[in-house]
Amino acid sequence: ILNVEQSPQSLHVQEGDSTNFTCSFPSSNFYALHWYRWETAKSPEALFVMTLNGDEKKKGRISATLNTKEGYSYLYIKGSQPEDSATYLCAPSTDSWGKFQFGAGTQVVVTP
Amino acid sequence: GAVVSQHPSWVICKSGTSVKIECRSLDFQATTMFWYRQFPKQSLMLMATSNEGSKATYEQGVEKDKFLINHASLTLSTLTVTSAHPEDSSFYICSAHPSSVADTQYFGPGTRLTVL
Repeated sequence: ILNVEQSPQSLHVQEGDSTNFTCSFPSSNFYALHWYRWETAKSPEALFVMTLNGDEKKKGRISATLNTKEGYSYLYIKGSQPEDSATYLCAPSTDSWGKFQFGAGTQVVVTP
Repeated sequence: GAVVSQHPSWVICKSGTSVKIECRSLDFQATTMFWYRQFPKQSLMLMATSNEGSKATYEQGVEKDKFLINHASLTLSTLTVTSAHPEDSSFYICSAHPSSVADTQYFGPGTRLTVL
């Protein structure tokens, strides 16, 4: 079982502000890092799959970076909007068809 | 595309009864589906991996006789919580791994089970 930590557990952001949070995971046996966004009463939605050290991916105002050598990933939200309010989950995997090990998530609340 | 449904979305049952939860991939085939459980303030914990046409693989500490998994087709997996007890009350969520696409799991919306 991989030890996956996300911090902070929760954060409150003012609309328009930018924010970021962390996912830490063991760097050994790493294959890919998955980010999901999970809104209340909905299905978790895949944001990014990252595999290469130094990878940076972007989707609208949300971006993520990956450091596989030290075992962490940052997710950034630029100019937060109320619709960004969700729990953001990360999950490393050890092979392309394998199991995901989820962190507990970072709950983001964006207030107008 | 890539929609996974789960039914029911919530269920309340009496202690000792069995509850079946369905997970369907609506617009793709899934050779592999996963079942997770989440307790409050905790992460999604993998319970078992369900492979179409074969027995499920359970994670350590998950009782296979209590949590029966059937993956009868490429679009349907079911989880049956047998003889449910209050400690089985939890949020259960499934994901489906498309047969043709690696590195991807699509999730259902989850099922809230409350055992009285």
